[in-house]
Amino acid sequence: AQSVAQPEDQVNVAEGNPLTVKCTYSVSGNPYLFWYVQYPNRGLQFLLKYITGDNLVKGSYGFEAEFNKSQTSFHLKKPSALVSDSALYFCAVGGNTGKLIFGQGTTLQVKP
Amino acid sequence: DVKVTQSSRYLVKRTGEKVFLECVQDMDHENMFWYRQDPGLGLRLIYFSYDVKMKEKGDIPEGYSVSREKKERFSLILESASTNQTSMYLCASSSTGYGANVLTFGAGSRLTVL
Repeated sequence: AQSVAQPEDQVNVAEGNPLTVKCTYSVSGNPYLFWYVQYPNRGLQFLLKYITGDNLVKGSYGFEAEFNKSQTSFHLKKPSALVSDSALYFCAVGGNTGKLIFGQGTTLQVKP
Repeated sequence: DVKVTQSSRYLVKRTGEKVFLECVQDMDHENMFWYRQDPGLGLRLIYFSYDVKMKEKGDIPEGYSVSREKKERFSLILESASTNQTSMYLCASSSTGYGANVLTFGAGSRLTVL
């Protein structure tokens, strides 16, 4: 069965500092991994995905994520956080079932 | 700009009422999905559909049904609403493919059942 875990309910970081939002997954076969972001009172927006190839994936708004097969992780990163990055972030995993399973979400708070 | 439109942003219903949540996409996508979002639980899949008149149960289908009579429209039905169905409901669509394609989400429908 597919599953995904985001171990932190909230991540706090100062503006200008690097940020990491963690995600681990479990899936049989090759994983398809995604990050989505939700701003207040909005639907989810796609940030980036890993299907195959280079383990470092670059996405929207300067975000990137690193796929680590041995640790079954797909952490979201950004070198320099902005206050406007404050939002709810979801990791998701897809596989051969055709379904996309989401984690419980991590609230990112960037303080000036 | 591609869009998934959910007909109601906010609804308030009484226990036992029948509730319809409508979702329309204009991208000619084959796949459509209904999720519910609850704090601390993330998004949980209720039902999804790969084609017209086809439906598959997700992880939490109990108390819900769906209808897909046309490719662009996917409706979620609560036959008899209960207070534990108070939640944010998100519709999404994607092009064909097994879990590898990006979902486009609607803005959500926040349902309160009194």
